[in-house]
Formats: sequence, C-alpha cells, structure tokens
Amino acid sequence: AQSVTQLDSQVPVFEEAPVELRCNYSSSVSVYLFWYVQYPNQGLQLLLKYLSGSTLVKGINGFEAEFNKSQTSFHLRKPSVHISDTAEYFCAVSKASGTYKYIFGTGTRLKVLA
Amino acid sequence: DTAVSQTPKYLVTQMGNDKSIKCEQNLGHDTMYWYKQDSKKFLKIMFSYNNKELIINETVPNRFSPKSPDKAHLNLHINSLELGDSAVYFCASSQVGGPGQETQYFGPGTRLLVL
Repeated sequence: AQSVTQLDSQVPVFEEAPVELRCNYSSSVSVYLFWYVQYPNQGLQLLLKYLSGSTLVKGINGFEAEFNKSQTSFHLRKPSVHISDTAEYFCAVSKASGTYKYIFGTGTRLKVLA
Repeated sequence: DTAVSQTPKYLVTQMGNDKSIKCEQNLGHDTMYWYKQDSKKFLKIMFSYNNKELIINETVPNRFSPKSPDKAHLNLHINSLELGDSAVYFCASSQVGGPGQETQYFGPGTRLLVL
C-alpha cells in the first residue's frame, strides 16, 4: 500500500520569499506523484506531476518539485511567493499502473504574509 | 464550459434525511471518482467507476450508494444522513488508457452540513 506524509500542516512565509513544502511517500511499487492546490472554497487544481524521467518537474504558477527516490520525497518549491499563493497544498501518490487511486497527504496550508 | 461540475454546491439537511449529489464531466473521460474531505481537510477516495462499472469501493458505509447512469455522470446518494457525514465531497474524472491517464480533474466540491 502507498502512503503520503506532509509534515508541515501550516507554513507561513513573507511575500517574495522562497518556500518549500515537504512531501514524503512510502510504496513498495513504482508510483506517480502529484501536487494539487486548493484555493479557499474551491476544488483541487493540478500544479504538477512526476511520472518518470527528469526528477525536476516544473508546474504552473512558477512552482517546481524534485523527485528524490532515495529519500522517497517530492518536495514542492517556489523561489518567490505571492499573496495569491495562499492556499492548501496536497501531495498525492498513485501506483504507476492499474487503477490510479490517489492517496493524499493531509495537506499543508501556505499562508503568504504581506 | 466547466469541465467537472457538481450540484448542489451547498447542502444543509437534518439527520436521518436522504440526499443526492450529482456530478457531470464534459471531458469525455471514462472514469469518475468520489472523494470525501473531512473537517481537517483530509481527502480520501470513496468510489470509482469506469464506463459505468464500479472499480474502487473503499470501506464506506452502505448508506452511501453511487450510481453512474452513463460515463459522463456519477451521482452519490446518501441514506439516513448522520452528523459525521458532514464534509466536502469532491467528484473527479480521468481517462484511463493513453497519455494523461494518471491525471484526475476535480470538481468544485459539494459542502454538506448535517444538523
């Protein structure tokens, strides 16, 4: 079975500062990894995903994530955040074959301060 | 031209009532999902249908019954609502087979409050 851990439930950061949101996963089989963002009172929007190949993945809104197989991590980064990035961020994992059932982490609330 | 839509957006009801939430996708996908997000924001899959066939059924009370009249629709009926059913319910869809099959597209959510 797969599992996902997002260690930080809340991350406050000042506007224009860099941010890293941490995600670690556990799986005995190959996986796909995802980051989704949920703005207040909205659905989930895909930021980026890792399937295979280059371990550095670039997504929308200036976000990127790096897949590290040895550390079983998929941390999300942005070099300079904006107020509009304030949202809940979810890391998810699915098996790389068969039924693509998502297992989500518990989410990290990013609060960007002026 | 919303890709995945849900109705209603908000639902407030009394304990013991029966209610339905509807989901429709216009992406031409063949697989649809229901997720439950609890008050702590934890998201967990409940069901998945592929071409109207149930393919994922997590440990969910029998009071929850999904119905897929066609591959563009997946409805969720809940009998005898309980306080613990209060949550946000998200519908999602994907296309199994081919590029992008692993990516799910989510609806805006239905906020259910049971009093």
